[in-house]
Amino acid sequence: GQNIDQPTEMTATEGAIVQINCTYQTSGFNGLFWYQQHAGEAPTFLSYNVLDGLEEKGRFSSFLSRSKGYSYLLLKELQMKDSASYLCAVRRLTGGGNKLTFGTGTQLKVEL
Amino acid sequence: DTEVTQTPKHLVMGMTNKKSLKCEQHMGHRAMYWYKQKAKKPPELMFVYSYEKLSINESVPSRFSPECPNSSLLNLHLHALQPEDSALYLCASSQDFGRVTEAFFGQGTRLTVV
Repeated sequence: GQNIDQPTEMTATEGAIVQINCTYQTSGFNGLFWYQQHAGEAPTFLSYNVLDGLEEKGRFSSFLSRSKGYSYLLLKELQMKDSASYLCAVRRLTGGGNKLTFGTGTQLKVEL
Repeated sequence: DTEVTQTPKHLVMGMTNKKSLKCEQHMGHRAMYWYKQKAKKPPELMFVYSYEKLSINESVPSRFSPECPNSSLLNLHLHALQPEDSALYLCASSQDFGRVTEAFFGQGTRLTVV
Protein backbone atom coordinates (compact mmCIF):
# COMPACT_ATOMS: atom_id res chain seq x y z
CA GLY A 1 0.00 0.00 0.00
CA GLN A 2 1.00 3.60 0.34
CA ASN A 3 0.93 6.38 2.87
CA ILE A 4 0.94 10.11 2.12
CA ASP A 5 1.09 12.56 5.02
CA GLN A 6 0.66 16.34 5.12
CA PRO A 7 -0.11 18.76 7.94
CA THR A 8 -3.86 19.34 8.21
CA GLU A 9 -3.79 23.11 8.59
CA MET A 10 -1.35 26.00 8.34
CA THR A 11 -1.70 29.75 8.83
CA ALA A 12 0.61 32.37 7.35
CA THR A 13 0.72 36.14 6.84
CA GLU A 14 0.23 37.96 3.57
CA GLY A 15 3.59 38.66 1.93
CA ALA A 16 5.38 35.91 3.85
CA ILE A 17 6.80 32.56 2.74
CA VAL A 18 5.26 29.23 3.72
CA GLN A 19 6.51 25.68 3.26
CA ILE A 20 4.06 22.78 3.10
CA ASN A 21 5.63 19.37 3.67
CA CYS A 22 4.59 16.01 2.33
CA THR A 23 6.03 12.62 3.25
CA TYR A 24 5.17 9.44 1.45
CA GLN A 25 5.83 5.72 1.44
CA THR A 26 5.08 3.86 -1.76
CA SER A 27 6.36 1.28 -4.21
CA GLY A 28 6.70 2.01 -7.91
CA PHE A 29 7.17 5.77 -7.36
CA ASN A 30 6.77 7.63 -10.65
CA GLY A 31 6.42 11.30 -9.77
CA LEU A 32 4.96 13.67 -7.18
CA PHE A 33 2.44 16.38 -7.97
CA TRP A 34 1.13 19.40 -6.09
CA TYR A 35 -2.39 20.66 -6.68
CA GLN A 36 -4.28 23.66 -5.29
CA GLN A 37 -7.97 23.36 -4.53
CA HIS A 38 -10.26 26.20 -3.49
CA ALA A 39 -13.42 25.23 -1.62
CA GLY A 40 -16.04 23.85 -3.98
CA GLU A 41 -13.73 23.98 -6.99
CA ALA A 42 -11.65 21.51 -8.96
CA PRO A 43 -7.99 20.87 -8.11
CA THR A 44 -5.62 22.84 -10.30
CA PHE A 45 -2.12 21.67 -11.15
CA LEU A 46 0.80 23.57 -9.59
CA SER A 47 3.96 21.51 -10.14
CA TYR A 48 5.47 18.09 -10.39
CA ASN A 49 8.81 16.47 -9.55
CA VAL A 50 10.17 13.20 -10.84
CA LEU A 51 13.87 13.63 -10.03
CA ASP A 52 15.45 14.92 -6.83
CA GLY A 53 15.80 18.65 -6.55
CA LEU A 54 13.95 21.91 -6.74
CA GLU A 55 11.50 22.97 -9.45
CA GLU A 56 10.65 26.67 -9.54
CA LYS A 57 7.58 28.18 -11.14
CA GLY A 58 7.03 31.84 -10.33
CA ARG A 59 5.95 32.21 -6.70
CA PHE A 60 5.72 28.42 -6.29
CA SER A 61 8.60 25.98 -5.90
CA SER A 62 8.53 22.27 -5.19
CA PHE A 63 11.31 20.07 -3.86
CA LEU A 64 11.68 16.31 -3.92
CA SER A 65 13.97 13.85 -2.16
CA ARG A 66 13.16 10.35 -3.39
CA SER A 67 15.52 8.66 -0.95
CA LYS A 68 13.77 10.33 1.99
CA GLY A 69 10.24 10.04 0.60
CA TYR A 70 9.84 13.78 1.14
CA SER A 71 8.61 16.76 -0.79
CA TYR A 72 7.68 20.32 0.01
CA LEU A 73 5.81 23.11 -1.71
CA LEU A 74 7.16 26.60 -1.11
CA LEU A 75 4.89 29.58 -1.63
CA LYS A 76 6.50 33.03 -1.68
CA GLU A 77 4.98 36.51 -1.42
CA LEU A 78 1.76 35.06 -0.10
CA GLN A 79 -1.49 36.61 -1.27
CA MET A 80 -4.96 36.32 0.24
CA LYS A 81 -6.07 34.34 -2.81
CA ASP A 82 -3.54 31.63 -1.89
CA SER A 83 -5.88 30.55 0.92
CA ALA A 84 -6.84 27.07 -0.27
CA SER A 85 -6.19 23.38 0.24
CA TYR A 86 -2.86 22.12 -1.11
CA LEU A 87 -2.82 18.49 -2.16
CA CYS A 88 0.29 16.38 -2.51
CA ALA A 89 -0.29 13.50 -4.96
CA VAL A 90 1.98 10.55 -5.63
CA ARG A 91 2.03 8.81 -9.00
CA ARG A 92 2.70 5.11 -8.75
CA LEU A 93 3.36 2.63 -11.51
CA THR A 94 1.16 -0.44 -11.13
CA GLY A 95 0.33 -3.42 -13.30
CA GLY A 96 -2.56 -1.47 -14.78
CA GLY A 97 -0.56 1.68 -15.41
CA ASN A 98 0.09 4.87 -13.49
CA LYS A 99 -2.16 5.72 -10.55
CA LEU A 100 -2.33 9.15 -8.90
CA THR A 101 -3.16 9.05 -5.19
CA PHE A 102 -3.77 12.19 -3.17
CA GLY A 103 -2.66 13.01 0.33
CA THR A 104 -5.11 14.37 2.86
CA GLY A 105 -4.39 17.97 1.89
CA THR A 106 -3.17 20.99 3.85
CA GLN A 107 -5.64 23.79 4.42
CA LEU A 108 -3.68 27.05 4.18
CA LYS A 109 -5.13 30.24 5.61
CA VAL A 110 -3.45 33.51 4.64
CA GLU A 111 -4.11 36.38 7.04
CA LEU A 112 -3.44 40.12 6.89
CA ASP B 1 -8.49 24.78 -24.76
CA THR B 2 -7.35 23.28 -21.46
CA GLU B 3 -10.80 22.58 -20.14
CA VAL B 4 -12.47 19.51 -18.83
CA THR B 5 -16.22 20.10 -18.82
CA GLN B 6 -18.58 18.21 -16.53
CA THR B 7 -22.36 18.18 -16.55
CA PRO B 8 -24.49 18.61 -14.61
CA LYS B 9 -22.88 20.81 -11.96
CA HIS B 10 -25.39 19.71 -9.34
CA LEU B 11 -27.57 16.61 -9.18
CA VAL B 12 -30.11 15.43 -6.62
CA MET B 13 -31.38 11.91 -7.09
CA GLY B 14 -33.44 9.35 -5.21
CA MET B 15 -32.14 5.93 -4.32
CA THR B 16 -34.23 4.29 -7.04
CA ASN B 17 -33.27 6.71 -9.80
CA LYS B 18 -30.93 6.16 -12.74
CA LYS B 19 -28.81 9.11 -13.78
CA SER B 20 -25.59 9.77 -15.66
CA LEU B 21 -22.69 12.16 -15.17
CA LYS B 22 -20.91 13.41 -18.26
CA CYS B 23 -17.36 14.59 -18.87
CA GLU B 24 -15.83 16.03 -22.03
CA GLN B 25 -12.34 17.18 -23.05
CA HIS B 26 -10.95 18.33 -26.39
CA MET B 27 -7.25 18.38 -25.55
CA GLY B 28 -6.55 15.10 -27.32
CA HIS B 29 -5.86 13.41 -24.00
CA ARG B 30 -5.99 9.63 -24.09
CA ALA B 31 -6.37 8.98 -20.36
CA MET B 32 -9.51 9.92 -18.44
CA TYR B 33 -10.36 9.44 -14.79
CA TRP B 34 -13.24 9.50 -12.33
CA TYR B 35 -12.55 10.59 -8.76
CA LYS B 36 -14.90 10.85 -5.78
CA GLN B 37 -14.34 13.55 -3.16
CA LYS B 38 -16.13 13.80 0.19
CA ALA B 39 -16.13 17.05 2.15
CA LYS B 40 -12.72 17.96 3.60
CA LYS B 41 -11.18 14.79 2.14
CA PRO B 42 -8.83 14.32 -0.83
CA PRO B 43 -10.08 12.99 -4.17
CA GLU B 44 -10.19 9.19 -4.32
CA LEU B 45 -9.59 7.39 -7.59
CA MET B 46 -12.52 5.34 -8.90
CA PHE B 47 -11.80 4.46 -12.56
CA VAL B 48 -9.14 5.06 -15.19
CA TYR B 49 -9.67 4.78 -18.94
CA SER B 50 -6.68 4.61 -21.23
CA TYR B 51 -7.28 4.77 -24.99
CA GLU B 52 -11.00 4.24 -24.37
CA LYS B 53 -10.44 1.01 -22.47
CA LEU B 54 -11.03 0.56 -18.75
CA SER B 55 -7.58 0.25 -17.23
CA ILE B 56 -8.23 0.55 -13.50
CA ASN B 57 -11.31 -0.08 -11.37
CA GLU B 58 -10.59 0.65 -7.73
CA SER B 59 -13.07 -1.95 -6.46
CA VAL B 60 -15.94 0.46 -7.01
CA PRO B 61 -19.46 -0.93 -6.32
CA SER B 62 -21.37 -1.97 -9.42
CA ARG B 63 -24.00 0.73 -8.84
CA PHE B 64 -21.39 2.98 -10.49
CA SER B 65 -20.85 2.07 -14.14
CA PRO B 66 -18.33 3.99 -16.26
CA GLU B 67 -18.44 4.29 -20.01
CA CYS B 68 -16.05 5.84 -22.54
CA PRO B 69 -17.93 6.23 -25.87
CA ASN B 70 -14.97 7.93 -27.57
CA SER B 71 -11.66 9.58 -26.78
CA SER B 72 -13.31 12.89 -25.78
CA LEU B 73 -16.17 11.64 -23.64
CA LEU B 74 -16.45 9.86 -20.32
CA ASN B 75 -19.71 8.97 -18.60
CA LEU B 76 -20.53 7.64 -15.16
CA HIS B 77 -23.88 5.85 -14.95
CA LEU B 78 -25.51 5.80 -11.54
CA HIS B 79 -28.16 3.36 -10.36
CA ALA B 80 -29.58 2.48 -6.94
CA LEU B 81 -27.19 4.77 -5.06
CA GLN B 82 -27.06 5.16 -1.31
CA PRO B 83 -27.05 8.42 0.69
CA GLU B 84 -23.37 7.81 1.56
CA ASP B 85 -22.58 8.11 -2.16
CA SER B 86 -23.31 11.83 -1.91
CA ALA B 87 -20.06 13.58 -2.85
CA LEU B 88 -18.30 15.71 -5.44
CA TYR B 89 -17.50 13.59 -8.49
CA LEU B 90 -14.49 14.84 -10.40
CA CYS B 91 -13.46 13.93 -13.91
CA ALA B 92 -9.87 14.41 -15.02
CA SER B 93 -7.80 13.80 -18.13
CA SER B 94 -4.12 13.56 -18.93
CA GLN B 95 -2.13 13.28 -22.09
CA ASP B 96 -1.21 9.65 -21.69
CA PHE B 97 -1.67 7.16 -18.91
CA GLY B 98 1.86 5.87 -19.20
CA ARG B 99 3.72 9.19 -19.04
CA VAL B 100 4.30 11.58 -16.17
CA THR B 101 2.07 14.46 -17.19
CA GLU B 102 -0.32 16.49 -15.11
CA ALA B 103 -3.99 15.68 -14.91
CA PHE B 104 -6.52 18.43 -15.64
CA PHE B 105 -9.67 18.35 -13.55
CA GLY B 106 -13.21 19.36 -14.35
CA GLN B 107 -15.28 21.48 -11.94
CA GLY B 108 -17.07 18.40 -10.71
CA THR B 109 -20.67 17.31 -10.22
CA ARG B 110 -21.98 17.71 -6.71
CA LEU B 111 -24.23 14.72 -6.18
CA THR B 112 -26.79 14.42 -3.41
CA VAL B 113 -28.60 11.11 -2.92
CA VAL B 114 -31.85 11.39 -0.97
